[in-house]
Amino acid sequence: DTGVSQDPRHKITKRGQNVTFRCDPISEHNRLYWYRQTLGQGPEFLTYFQNEAQLEKSRLLSDRFSAERPKGSFSTLEIQRTEQGDSAMYLCASTGGGSTDTQYFGPGTRLTVL
Amino acid sequence: GENVEQHPSTLSVQEGDSAVIKCTYSDSASNYFPWYKQELGKGPQLIIDIRSNVGEKKDQRIAVTLNKTAKHFSLHITETQPEDSAVYFCAASYDKVIFGPGTSLSVIP
Repeated sequence: DTGVSQDPRHKITKRGQNVTFRCDPISEHNRLYWYRQTLGQGPEFLTYFQNEAQLEKSRLLSDRFSAERPKGSFSTLEIQRTEQGDSAMYLCASTGGGSTDTQYFGPGTRLTVL
Repeated sequence: GENVEQHPSTLSVQEGDSAVIKCTYSDSASNYFPWYKQELGKGPQLIIDIRSNVGEKKDQRIAVTLNKTAKHFSLHITETQPEDSAVYFCAASYDKVIFGPGTSLSVIP
């Protein structure tokens, strides 16, 4: 297993467009997390899944954001009607255990909204 | 809400010297404290972690200390090398992981 992968690595879009990112966690990891990271800041929690169930969403996750993990394996994060303030690095992490187990991060998707 | 503070925000050391990064957290229920290293264009990578039942942990040139009473924890890197240059994040976790704002470490050859 090569770790957590994310696709695409970079995305440039115009304001108002929809974008979708994909995360493939480490095989058999049952928890999957999405974070947003802006320049000079640490990752900020957005949401997480236990298998296919979305258990928690941050207040940062406006109604323009939606995440899915339909089969408990890969996950997608969609942003509708993108705004310039959505420009950030979107990170995915997975863990085989609970919140006190090591989270393994993917390389991230850098989104630029023009 | 939960908060993690981290100091300094930038740190420059000569190769071979030690580097120390300090963090404080607000949620007394936190019981897991990972440290991540992030290089440019990459995701954070775990370098060491400590749990609340331990006061200190060491792995080669890296050590972490935890003072649960004071809600402080620190990262110590000895014999720094240029490849240690990166951004380092501390984090505290109970039901979810809260990250500090990061420390940009530069090791000057």
